[in-house]
Amino acid sequence: EVQLVESGGALVQPGGSLRLSCAASGFSFSDRYMDWVRQAPGKGLEWVGRIRNKANIYTAEYAASVKGRFTISRDDSKNSVYLQMDSLKTEDTAVYYCTRVDTSDSRAFPDYWGQGTLVTVSS
Amino acid sequence: DIQMTQSPSTLSTSVGDRVTITCRASQSISNWLAWYQQKPGKAPKVLIYKASSLRSGVPSTFSGSGSGTEFTLTISSLQPDDFATYYCQQYYAYPLTFGGGTKVEIK
Repeated sequence: EVQLVESGGALVQPGGSLRLSCAASGFSFSDRYMDWVRQAPGKGLEWVGRIRNKANIYTAEYAASVKGRFTISRDDSKNSVYLQMDSLKTEDTAVYYCTRVDTSDSRAFPDYWGQGTLVTVSS
Repeated sequence: DIQMTQSPSTLSTSVGDRVTITCRASQSISNWLAWYQQKPGKAPKVLIYKASSLRSGVPSTFSGSGSGTEFTLTISSLQPDDFATYYCQQYYAYPLTFGGGTKVEIK
C-alpha cells in the first residue's frame, strides 16, 4: 500500500524558514518523481514543484511563486523527499501535500497524495 | 502559464442526477488532463488521467472526455459519496496548474 506521511509543519514568522519532510513507503521510491502541492485555507490547489529521479539527475521544477525561495530535495536511502522553505511570506500559509508522480506516460501527474501538513506564516 | 478555468464553481444537485463539470485550458494541452476529487479535510484523489482514462478502483459512474482546450467530467448517477469538490489539472507543461474547483453540494 502506498503511504506518504508529511511532517514538519509549524507556525513560523514572516521571513523565517521551515523544512518539510515526506516519508514514503509501499512503492519503489527511487524510481519515482515526487511533487509538492499546497492549499491555502479555504482555497484551491496550487502546484509547488517537482523533483525527478536519479535517472533524470534529480532535477527540479518550481512554481514561479516559490522559485528562489523553496528547494526540493530527496534522500533515496531514506525514501524521503523534503521541501526547504526560506524567506517565508504570509501567503505561503497552506496545507502542504507530498505526492507521488505517475510517470508511466510521456507526461506525468500526481497520483497518490499524503494527508498534508499545515504551515502557518504569521507574526 | 496555462490557465485552467472550471465551471460551474458550485453545483447544487441530488442523488441520482447526472452531473457535468467543464474545464477549459487557455491553450491546447492535448489530452494531458487529470481530474481529482477532494472531500473536506482530506487529500485529493485522482479519478481520471489523460482526459478519459479511469483510474483503477474509481467507480465507472465517473467518466472524462475532451482534448485540446475543452474537457468534461461526467458523473452519470450521483451517489451520496460523490458530494465533494472536483479539480482539473493540466500536466502538459510546467508549471502544472489546477482549475479553481467545482463544489458539488446537496440541493
